Amino acid sequence: QMTQSPSSLSASLGDRVTITCRASQGISDYLAWYQQKPGKAPKLLIYEASTLHSGVPSRFSGSGSGTDFTLTISSLQPEDVATYYCHRYNTAPPFTFGGGTKVEI
Amino acid sequence: QVQLVVSGGGLVKPGGSLRLSCETSGFTFTDYFMGWIRQAPGKGLEWVAYISATTNVFYHADSVQGRFTISRDSATNSLYLQMNSLRVEDTAVYYCARDRGRYSFFDFWGQGVLVTVSS
Repeated sequence: QMTQSPSSLSASLGDRVTITCRASQGISDYLAWYQQKPGKAPKLLIYEASTLHSGVPSRFSGSGSGTDFTLTISSLQPEDVATYYCHRYNTAPPFTFGGGTKVEI
Repeated sequence: QVQLVVSGGGLVKPGGSLRLSCETSGFTFTDYFMGWIRQAPGKGLEWVAYISATTNVFYHADSVQGRFTISRDSATNSLYLQMNSLRVEDTAVYYCARDRGRYSFFDFWGQGVLVTVSS
C-alpha cells in the first residue's frame, strides 16, 4: 500500500510544494513519481526516489528511503498544475500506485 | 524517439469485447517488459496487466483476471489487451507503458484511449 498526502493542495506561484508518499513496508529507494497533467498521459518525473528522469526541470526533487518519501517542487510554476502519483516498484505485480495529489495554483 | 500509440477504444455494451493495440517505435521492443494501466473517470491509476519481454511471463490484476489477456507481437512491435466480458466498472482511459527494466518503473506512456462500457 502506498499512501499519498495531501490528496490535493493549492499554492501560489513561486511557493515550495511538498508531497509525501508512505509505504506500508520498507521499499528501500524503489520509488518513482509521475506527473499527470489534465487530459494527458502520466509522465515519469523521478525514479530511485531521487533521480530525475531526462528532461525534468531541476525545480523537482525527490528524497526518502524505506517507508517515507517526498516530492518537492522548489518554486511552483503554472505548468506544474497536475496530479502527482508515487509508484512502488522492484516487486512482482500487482503494481501499486499512490492515490494521487492534485496540485493547483 | 520512443513512441507508444494506443488504439482500439470506444463504446461497448456490458458483456461485450474490445481489443486495444499499442504500436511502439523508437526502441527495441523485444528488450522491454510492457504494461497496461487504466484510469477510471476522476480516479487514480490502476495497474491492469504486465508482460515480460519474451512473452513467457504475464500477470493480470485480480479485477480483470479471466476476462482480459495481455499479449505482444514482436513482428509488429505491438502490445495488445484483449478485453472480454466487459463490465460498466471497466470504463476508463487505458494506457500502455514501457517498463524501464524488469518489475521496474514505467518510463514512457502511450496517449491512452477511452473505453466506455454502457448499455
